[in-house]
Amino acid sequence: SQQGEEDPQALSIQEGENATMNCSYKTSINNLQWYRQNSGRGLVHLILIRSNEREKHSGRLRVTLDTSKKSSSLLITASRAADTASYFCATETGGSYIPTFGRGTSLIVHP
Amino acid sequence: EAGVAQSPRYKIIEKRQSVAFWCNPISGHATLYWYQQILGQGPKLLIQFQNNGVVDDSQLPKDRFSAERLKGVDSTLKIQPAKLEDSAVYLCASSLNRNQPQHFGDGTRLSIL
Repeated sequence: SQQGEEDPQALSIQEGENATMNCSYKTSINNLQWYRQNSGRGLVHLILIRSNEREKHSGRLRVTLDTSKKSSSLLITASRAADTASYFCATETGGSYIPTFGRGTSLIVHP
Repeated sequence: EAGVAQSPRYKIIEKRQSVAFWCNPISGHATLYWYQQILGQGPKLLIQFQNNGVVDDSQLPKDRFSAERLKGVDSTLKIQPAKLEDSAVYLCASSLNRNQPQHFGDGTRLSIL
C-alpha cells in the first residue's frame, strides 16, 4: 500500500509559471523528502523536511509540511523546460526509518 | 564525490533464468537500499541495509530474490528464477545514514521475455 500519494498525477504548464504538487500520507512520519526523476535516470534528492519543520526553501523550490493534515506541498517557482520530470514524495517512518515512495507527479513545462 | 554506480545498465533474459545486479554506493554511506520501479510507478523498497545488516526486507520476494552487502560496502541483488512480472528498473541508493537524503544510481532496466 502507498504511504504517500502525490496529486495531481500529471501537470502541464508554460515556462515561467509556478508548479505546485501535493503529497498526502497516512501515518506519522519522521521526515518527508521530495525527489525528481528525469526519464531513464535515477532519482535526485531535492529537499528533506523533518516532522518538526513546517517550511523549507532551496533555490526556486519551496516545501511545506502540515503534520495535522498529513500533507506536504512542493512549489517550483518560475518553472523552466528543464524542470520537466517526475516528482516523488517519500516518507520515512518508524524507528528504522523505512522509506516509502508515492506514485509521482509527471510535470511537463512547455517552452 | 563519485555517485552510486550500478551495473549492468540493461539486461534482457528469458523467464526462469537468473540475473544479478551490482551496486557500489558512495564511499562512507552506511545505509544502502534496493528498489524496484515498475513503469509509471514510484520506487518500491525491496531491501534496506545498515552497514552489512538487513534493516527491512519485508517486501522482498524471498522465494526468488536475494541480496547481500559485502563487508558493508558493495551489494548484489539476485533474481532466480525470473518471472515476467519482474520486468522493471532496479534502483540502488545509498545515504550517509538513516534519516538522511538518498543518492540514487541510474538503475538497471530488466526485461523478461
